[in-house]
Amino acid sequence: DIQMTQSPSSLSASVGDRVTITCRASQGISNYLAWFQQKPGKAPKSLIYAASTLQSGVPSKFSGSGSGTDFTLTISSLQPEDFATYYCQQYNSYPYTFGQGTKLEIK
Amino acid sequence: EVQLVESGGGLVQPGGSLKLSCAASGFTFSGSAMHWVRQASGKGLEWVGRISSKPNNYATAYAASVKGRFTISRDDSKNTAYLQMNSLKTEDTAVYYCTIWEDWGQGALVTVSS
Repeated sequence: DIQMTQSPSSLSASVGDRVTITCRASQGISNYLAWFQQKPGKAPKSLIYAASTLQSGVPSKFSGSGSGTDFTLTISSLQPEDFATYYCQQYNSYPYTFGQGTKLEIK
Repeated sequence: EVQLVESGGGLVQPGGSLKLSCAASGFTFSGSAMHWVRQASGKGLEWVGRISSKPNNYATAYAASVKGRFTISRDDSKNTAYLQMNSLKTEDTAVYYCTIWEDWGQGALVTVSS
């Protein structure tokens, strides 16, 4: 199975900040990488697929990059509604696997 | 508007069975692979399994943790996917989501406890 490792596991930031979350795959996954946002008590929301393609309706403040084994999610100009937990997921091969999550908290 | 609505969750004893349904609307269900993802309380997301569309022979794939115990099926005439869960264990306790990745259901809580 492909293991996905996110860093950091938690992150404190202020409104207006720009933050970057990294995700590393245990083996190459080309660009078969998605990012999800989840708020407490809610279903996950798709942000990005194919490593860098924004899902319809997702604001351009979210951006993704990477290929192979190393990926990043960058969120610019943080707003209160951006504080949530973020997950990466590989869909290169079964079983699909998620990172452990990065909890983004308000400083 | 895409809607995915799970139902069938509840409390079941260890060793028991439960069947979840996922009613879909707002997209071409018959042409879409359907996935199930679960999340134990306070934990991360875990992919459970997938059923492909008819052109892909309704192929299924499962996580090792549920293989042989869970079965995913679908009824394209009803726009509904199913997750049959047998031989349930306490560690299967979680919220179960159906998803097509760009859209998710609200989740169904399954509690396995004596």
